[in-house]
Amino acid sequence: DVKVTQSSRYLVKRTGEKVFLECVQDMDHENMFWYRQDPGLGLRLIYFSYDVKMKEKGDIPEGYSVSREKKERFSLILESASTNQTSMYLCASSLGSTVYEQYFGPGTRLTVT
Amino acid sequence: GNSVTQMEGPVTLSEEAFLTINCTYTATGYPSLFWYVQYPGEGLQLLLKATKADDKGSNKGFEATYRKETTSFHLEKGSVQVSDSAVYFCALRRGGANSKLTFGKGITLSVRP
Repeated sequence: DVKVTQSSRYLVKRTGEKVFLECVQDMDHENMFWYRQDPGLGLRLIYFSYDVKMKEKGDIPEGYSVSREKKERFSLILESASTNQTSMYLCASSLGSTVYEQYFGPGTRLTVT
Repeated sequence: GNSVTQMEGPVTLSEEAFLTINCTYTATGYPSLFWYVQYPGEGLQLLLKATKADDKGSNKGFEATYRKETTSFHLEKGSVQVSDSAVYFCALRRGGANSKLTFGKGITLSVRP
């Protein structure tokens, strides 16, 4: 089974802190994604990566950056956390450009106070 | 651009009731369509998919048919169980390279014993 793990299930940070969310997949998938999930808004794509050191902006990249130094690991970085970044963050991975199923991690609920 | 519209929720049903969750989409060409399910405390997982018009996806008693003429992909189940209580997301694959998905807002289903 594909497994996508996220470093924390729950995280509480203060405004202005730099926050790292880590995601690891164990199936050698090429593509990795970061979403945020908010009530009434569904899932919105923040960033994705289709190869090591490659990244592309999603629909709501402002206030976020990402890093993919190794194929299995994709990090989401909040440079200076703000209260409007309080949300559920979901990481996902998929095999390649012709296999579209995405496998999701359990999510990290981030609260910024 | 691409978009997915789901019916407003939440939905509450009694066990063994018939379920329909509506999903319509806007897209160019022939996108692949998906239903994902999120059980409480978990990440999303693929429930079923359809890759071309008139395809029927099915899994765990759920079905959805890709209707090009009505741009719809409604989810149905003949007899729901308490264990089906979850959030359901309709999604489509965006065109172009990689496997980015556009998600609907999701709908919460609660099934009473």
